[in-house]
Amino acid sequence: AQTIHQWPVAEIKAVGSPLSLGCTIKGKSSPNLYWYWQATGGTLQQLFYSITVGQVESVVQLNLSASRPKDDQFILSTEKLLLSHSGFYLCAWSLAQGSNERLFFGHGTKLSVL
Amino acid sequence: AQSVTQPDARVTVSEGASLQLRCKYSYFGTPYLFWYVQYPRQGLQLLLKYYPGDPVVQGVNGFEAEFSKSNSSFHLRKASVHWSDWAVYFCAVSMTGGYKVVFGSGTRLLVSP
Repeated sequence: AQTIHQWPVAEIKAVGSPLSLGCTIKGKSSPNLYWYWQATGGTLQQLFYSITVGQVESVVQLNLSASRPKDDQFILSTEKLLLSHSGFYLCAWSLAQGSNERLFFGHGTKLSVL
Repeated sequence: AQSVTQPDARVTVSEGASLQLRCKYSYFGTPYLFWYVQYPRQGLQLLLKYYPGDPVVQGVNGFEAEFSKSNSSFHLRKASVHWSDWAVYFCAVSMTGGYKVVFGSGTRLLVSP
């Protein structure tokens, strides 16, 4: 069975500090991977997607970057956090046929920037 | 550009009553539509998905949705709501062959006793 694990579960960070969030998918080879951001009480905004190792596409610019160093790993990061980065970050995967397939979400990381 | 509108930010329903959550989409072409549910502090789980074909789609836990091309809608329904349905529901549309999925703003469902 496929599993998706996000870390950390929660982070409290200072404005201007760096950030690294991780996501690992086990039991599925070559999945499509996605990062979503959800403001408190808000909708989901797609940030990035990746269809293969080393290749990441940006959907919206929020002063964040993403990388896919391994087939099963997706990293979201920034060197300098802003207050507006607070929210809930969700990693997801889908089958390689594209986003017409359902998304499988992780449990998310709650980020508070102070 | 594709978009999804969920006009009701919050809906309150009595337990045992029927439910309809509204979703309108804007998309040029054949849409692939989804309903997801989010329980507190968790990721989203799929309720049901629509691929071109039968307009009425059955999902988990007694949910169903009906696609209407003429109304550009994909409303979610349930005949009898249970207290455990208390959650936030998101409608989403994806592009054919693409990798972008657009979500609506979500509808928070409250279930009263």
